[in-house]
Amino acid sequence: NAGVTQTPKFRVLKTGQSMTLLCAQDMNHEYMYWYRQDPGMGLRLIHYSVGEGTTAKGEVPDGYNVSRLKKQNFLLGLESAAPSQTSVYFCASSKHESLTYEQYFGPGTRLTVT
Amino acid sequence: DQQVKQNSPSLSVQEGRISILNCDYTNSMFDYFLWYKKYPAEGPTFLISISSIKDKNEDGRFTVFLNKSAKHLSLHIVPSQPGDSAVYFCAASDRGSTLGRLYFGRGTQLTVWP
Repeated sequence: NAGVTQTPKFRVLKTGQSMTLLCAQDMNHEYMYWYRQDPGMGLRLIHYSVGEGTTAKGEVPDGYNVSRLKKQNFLLGLESAAPSQTSVYFCASSKHESLTYEQYFGPGTRLTVT
Repeated sequence: DQQVKQNSPSLSVQEGRISILNCDYTNSMFDYFLWYKKYPAEGPTFLISISSIKDKNEDGRFTVFLNKSAKHLSLHIVPSQPGDSAVYFCAASDRGSTLGRLYFGRGTQLTVWP
């Protein structure tokens, strides 16, 4: 099992450009999440999905869109990148029937917006 | 408003001694708590958890204590090793209503020196 994988690992964008971050999991998890990590701010939830075709807003959703067309994939889109979106982005997944809601994280995508 | 707080951004401990990382929460509906460990350039990995029906959970060198009346939990690492140097995140879940969502603290950077 690869677990949770993220593509790309690094990216530099110019202000106003768009991009899509891809998250894939092979654990057949129902729930998937996108977080951003900034220095001193911990992990902040951007959007999440409780199943294929469903998405919901998290704590900091502005400037991002998501889609969950397939159970194993969760895409995070930036339509018009801003320097404030410079961050490390983590995807995570978890099982619906898990009593612990333990989340499994990918290795992260480091995004710089200039 | 942060519902999970880690008030110490950093902790430095000598190898072999005990490391104590603290976490406070404000939401009385939280009923499951987790600790994650994060090395640089990697995603967070699950370390240990505790249900609100317990006050202690132990796994090898790691023990988590929960004080519900004080809304406080702590992670004890005994003995500390240089490989434990990482950022530790406390997380909490309200399993009844948040559909798998975890609320994270801002993290504590632990440094274990020889």
